[in-house]
Amino acid sequence: AQKITQTQPGMFVQEKEAVTLDCTYDTSDPSYGLFWYKQPSSGEMIFLIYQGSYDQQNATEGRYSLNFQKARKSANLVISASQLGDSAMYFCAMREEGAGSYQLTFGKGTKLSVIP
Amino acid sequence: EPEVTQTPSHQVTQMGQEVILRCVPISNHLYFYWYRQILGQKVEFLVSFYNNEISEKSEIFDDQFSVERPDGSNFTLKIRSTKLEDSAMYFCASRQGAALGYEQYFGPGTRLTVT
Repeated sequence: AQKITQTQPGMFVQEKEAVTLDCTYDTSDPSYGLFWYKQPSSGEMIFLIYQGSYDQQNATEGRYSLNFQKARKSANLVISASQLGDSAMYFCAMREEGAGSYQLTFGKGTKLSVIP
Repeated sequence: EPEVTQTPSHQVTQMGQEVILRCVPISNHLYFYWYRQILGQKVEFLVSFYNNEISEKSEIFDDQFSVERPDGSNFTLKIRSTKLEDSAMYFCASRQGAALGYEQYFGPGTRLTVT
């Protein structure tokens, strides 16, 4: 079974509109962290936002917020007021702490295109 | 702002040749990683390194691969005898501490092309 599922291969959004990128995860570990990374066409991986499994509030970082629904095991990324520079691949990733794991497990990504 | 650097940005090599990919993690970070991304696919974990030894490795990280931290700053990934399927973007990453909230900072990647 996939640990991280991103069901939207591609998304379009109008400039200045908000967009939600979906991510569901699968773990039995009670302690885990969820991360979102942005990968522009240049290829680098840029950290956007983090949510810990014990965090009571949804994480926010500027125009990025994470809609964390623990019971549904979802961690959707919300980008408000989209900009042309937001066009990129977006990856959801998880780290499970219980097994002493240090690795990030990534989803397949969603390609976001912002339309002027 | 401190950043992870990687060299070279692009390497072309012939099948069977050895390659060494270099990374300089952020200076006060303690945990180091290599990931790879085959073109158009997701990022895959290869190996993690802490306290001068491998702490975790994936099935991909077979005997052809090795990592080393030869001095206080560099972190290298060696592929002993490259195969066509090793063609990918290789990312180095580092993080400061063990706690969940510490994010991994990624380098810009090295694009390896095996011909």
